[in-house]
Amino acid sequence: QSVLTQPPSASGTPGQRVTISCSGSSSNIISNIVNWYQQLPGSAPKLLIYRNDRRPSGVPDRFSGFKSGTSASLAIAGLHSEDEADYFCAAWDDSLNGVLFGGGTKLTVL
Amino acid sequence: QVQLQESGPGLVEPSQTLSLSCIVSGASITSGPYYWTWIRQPAGKGLEWIGRIDASGNTNYNPSLKSRVTISLDTSKIQFSLNLTSVTAADTAVYFCARAGIVGSSHFDYWGQGTLVTVSS
Repeated sequence: QSVLTQPPSASGTPGQRVTISCSGSSSNIISNIVNWYQQLPGSAPKLLIYRNDRRPSGVPDRFSGFKSGTSASLAIAGLHSEDEADYFCAAWDDSLNGVLFGGGTKLTVL
Repeated sequence: QVQLQESGPGLVEPSQTLSLSCIVSGASITSGPYYWTWIRQPAGKGLEWIGRIDASGNTNYNPSLKSRVTISLDTSKIQFSLNLTSVTAADTAVYFCARAGIVGSSHFDYWGQGTLVTVSS
């Protein structure tokens, strides 16, 4: 099935570490690169992690990505209040022959 | 610096055709291993990939929209366009154009700011 599943919400306090999961299948995550996006309210998504675990220039090293099998995860260490945003995973799906996005995870910094 | 800017009507009547353009600056849409892409986001919901076009004009569309979607290049105006026919209220969303970079097909390195399109009579 061509779906990327993320938890709808996550939360943490400043300074904590939070992990967001992205669960897929053999037609997407296993065989293709996973990318992560951060979307602040009212803004376009911004590339946060590319090629599973790499950070674009300017993204703090507090953000890290990991992929194993049919799942990927985004970790945010040392939470800041400005990390409060929606986070989306994305991957090419061979069955769909197109891009799949996860449903998104709303991160709240308490 | 690559920049993308969506343009088009913010209101479309049901059953009509939604037409948007994305003006690209700082990059050529007719060269390079990039995919020029449309993505949409209904209010309060997730992102949906609509489709893409490469520099040669080859396209891929989301199967759920394929019968209604056309993406094309307008090389003279350095823009690419989206046409979505027979729209309904379910097509109301913020529409983004983006560039899929060379690292992978889901690697969107540049985005437009997005434009809200409402389908209503």
